[in-house]
Amino acid sequence: ELKVEQNPLFLSMQEGKNYTIYCNYSTTSDRLYWYRQDPGKSLESLFVLLSNGAVKQEGRLMASLDTKARLSTLHITAAVHDLSATYFCAVDLTSGTYKYIFGTGTRLKVLA
Amino acid sequence: NAGVTQTPKFRILKIGQSMTLQCTQDMNHNYMYWYRQDPGMGLKLIYYSVGAGITDKGEVPNGYNVSRSTTEDFPLRLELAAPSQTSVYFCASSFLLDGFYGYTFGSGTRLTVV
Repeated sequence: ELKVEQNPLFLSMQEGKNYTIYCNYSTTSDRLYWYRQDPGKSLESLFVLLSNGAVKQEGRLMASLDTKARLSTLHITAAVHDLSATYFCAVDLTSGTYKYIFGTGTRLKVLA
Repeated sequence: NAGVTQTPKFRILKIGQSMTLQCTQDMNHNYMYWYRQDPGMGLKLIYYSVGAGITDKGEVPNGYNVSRSTTEDFPLRLELAAPSQTSVYFCASSFLLDGFYGYTFGSGTRLTVV
């Protein structure tokens, strides 16, 4: 059974600080996705990581993928309040089927 | 371009009632999905479809049914509503060759069973 675990589950951080969210998964997959969800809203695609060593950056967020370690990270640089949201990683249930298994999410709160 | 449209946005059902959650996409995506999200949790895959006439079960299919008669529509049917089905339901779609770019999600249907 594929398991996708994120940590931390909750993260409260001060503006201007850096932090990393971790996503571990239990089966081989070379595709990993990061999504953002604002309270009461739908999910917004942030990053698609397609191969080992892939790194994507958008603004203050940077995501990376290590398929050998079955680990992805979402790094936050100099956090701002607007980044407050829940962040989910997702992995294909079976490679190529486009059926995602989602992690439990990391609820991020950035304090002014 | 509307993307993925879900209706209704909110619904309260009594135990034992039935209802259909509607999902329509106008992007000509061949893959469509139904997920449920319980409070404070991640998303669980209920059913998915790889094209018109083809559907398959996900992680939590019990208590639900789907059909896919057209590329655009992928309704989710609850036959005998139970309190355990109280959740937020998201429909999503993706294009096979374009699936690398992730899903497009609808805005969700918040369902309460009392």
